[in-house]
Amino acid sequence: GAVVSQHPSWVICKSGTSVKIECRSLDFQATTMFWYRQFPKQSLMLMATSNEGSKATYEQGVEKDKFLINHASLTLSTLTVTSAHPEDSSFYICSAPFKQGAREQYFGPGTRLTVT
Amino acid sequence: SQKIEQNSEALNIQEGKTATLTCNYTNYSPAYLQWYRQDPGRGPVFLLLIRENEKEKRKERLKVTFDTTLKQSLFHITASQPADSATYLCALVNNAGNMLTFGGGTRLMVKP
Repeated sequence: GAVVSQHPSWVICKSGTSVKIECRSLDFQATTMFWYRQFPKQSLMLMATSNEGSKATYEQGVEKDKFLINHASLTLSTLTVTSAHPEDSSFYICSAPFKQGAREQYFGPGTRLTVT
Repeated sequence: SQKIEQNSEALNIQEGKTATLTCNYTNYSPAYLQWYRQDPGRGPVFLLLIRENEKEKRKERLKVTFDTTLKQSLFHITASQPADSATYLCALVNNAGNMLTFGGGTRLMVKP
């Protein structure tokens, strides 16, 4: 079946640096992808909707200048955490609908970000 | 405000029994309700989707019910196995789009 991959699977960075996380749809195209954040023992919180060829839509309370999203192609969306701080340490997960208009989503394996 | 509530306490059951997980919501009129499985350190995996006009959906050992009057969904795993141990998340989708809003998840532990 279709798969969503993420890279890297984990990353450790120093406070103040930027980190880029890639989300790829394998063997299917995704005009829309979603980025979530999950803190330990908590559920997934939607951060933003990534739209191919246009600006991302951010959820209330998510700083768009801090979490830069680029959906440059139908198979790739990137999330860049800029000027990372320890409180940005979290599990970041992307997803894409099974197909255009589908309600079910494929999720990536997640990226564990630790900011020291 | 919108709320999706799942039992935050872990559910411990014996292998072979039926596990029943609950998802309750308030201030929401979802067009669809979905259930996902999440293993530690992994992304969620889609299990089942049920529409607002459907009462029940089945897939192998899984069964989901959806009561829009009670604003509740029940998720059943029959003949449970230790491999079913995971966190199960319910997610709601409204008619406006395909954005998912997740509940907090319930951890299921199936003991051999």
